[in-house]
Amino acid sequence: KQEVTQIPAALSVPEGENLVLNCSFTDSAIYNLQWFRQDPGKGLTSLLLIQSSQREQTSGRLNASLDKSSGRSTLYIAASQPGDSATYLCAVRPLGYSTLTFGKGTMLLVSP
Amino acid sequence: ETGVTQSPTHLIKTRGQQVTLRCSSQSGHNTVSWYQQALGQGPQFIFQYYREEENGRGNFPPRFSGLQFPNYSSELNVNALELDDSALYLCASSFGTGQIDYTFGSGTRLTVV
Repeated sequence: KQEVTQIPAALSVPEGENLVLNCSFTDSAIYNLQWFRQDPGKGLTSLLLIQSSQREQTSGRLNASLDKSSGRSTLYIAASQPGDSATYLCAVRPLGYSTLTFGKGTMLLVSP
Repeated sequence: ETGVTQSPTHLIKTRGQQVTLRCSSQSGHNTVSWYQQALGQGPQFIFQYYREEENGRGNFPPRFSGLQFPNYSSELNVNALELDDSALYLCASSFGTGQIDYTFGSGTRLTVV
């Protein structure tokens, strides 16, 4: 059974810092890995989708990497801003399935 | 192009009652997946509908049921509500069941008292 773990569970940083969020998964047989952002009580916004054959994806200040063989992904946020404060969720799509398995998320607070 | 719309946004029900949640998929999408997100947890897969047929189900009891309509909108029905059913229910739509990107709705917050 695929399990997804995110570390740390919570993170508080001052504005302007670069930071890394970690995601690990137990089964490397995946189609893709996706990072989402969730504001309190709201739905999910897709940030980056990495196919299993890719190593990384970039969008603006965000960069996500994937090491499928070791079951790890990182989300790098450059020059953090208070507006980045949210919960960040990592999800994998296991091979043979069309659904997502999520981690519990990392709650990020960026203070001015 | 409209996104995924869920209704209602909030709902309070009494234990033992039944509830129906609704989801309108994004234009052009024919697959709808439902997830339950308890407080402080990641979303858990409930089931998926592809072209009006159930296409996979997570570890949820039969009192969780669903439908998909010809316009690809969907309903999630929960019977005999329990306190632990209190959660944010998320709907996601996509085109097909291949390697795809999901679009999530804003969710329905269900509170069971």
